[in-house]
Amino acid sequence: DQQVKQNSPSLSVQEGRISILNCDYTNSMFDYFLWYKKYPAEGPTFLISISSIKDKNEDGRFTVFLNKSAKHLSLHIVPSQPGDSAVYFCAANSYSGSARQLTFGSGTQLTVLP
Amino acid sequence: DSGVTQTPKHLITATGQRVTLRCSPRSGDLSVYWYQQSLDQGLQFLIQYYNGEERAKGNILERFSAQQFPDLHSELNLSSLELGDSALYFCASSPGGRGNTIYFGEGSWLTVV
Repeated sequence: DQQVKQNSPSLSVQEGRISILNCDYTNSMFDYFLWYKKYPAEGPTFLISISSIKDKNEDGRFTVFLNKSAKHLSLHIVPSQPGDSAVYFCAANSYSGSARQLTFGSGTQLTVLP
Repeated sequence: DSGVTQTPKHLITATGQRVTLRCSPRSGDLSVYWYQQSLDQGLQFLIQYYNGEERAKGNILERFSAQQFPDLHSELNLSSLELGDSALYFCASSPGGRGNTIYFGEGSWLTVV
């Protein structure tokens, strides 16, 4: 049972345009959400996060939106740059007792075309 | 550089063998996590330790085990290796509190032949 879903395995966008990556979740106990970027043969790099009590968080070209009623979050990258080409993972945080657990989506490969 | 160090970076071994992957967390981080990424797969959570104690278990096979030592470094032991165990194994660490981001190492590539 996939609790965090990224339904688009890939996305291509022209340089300078907006990239929108989507993520859906099923567990209403998730209280914190993160986006990671991953280049081939490297570890995932933290990009941006959002608490479940907020609906938007912005950091430079990156904005994450959270719609709790729809159990949906999205990452907007504006403007997109060729260096943004990578796999983007959505992750959601939950607690079981005192144990913190991060559940990842399957990732979306973003390709920014020059 | 995330501050999380993993060794070895690459490892090739035969089926049936046993290997140990090592992780040094970021300075001050008490929590260590292990994840597996197989070809075309997402990141699968294996296990988490906090200050030496196991805190959570994910999809970790019985042939795999892990521990976190008093100096907070962690080791993931993989035994009776099968071809399907070939994957990228990531270690990550965090301070351990609520809302903390976890930071990943660069991974250990394991190839079982």
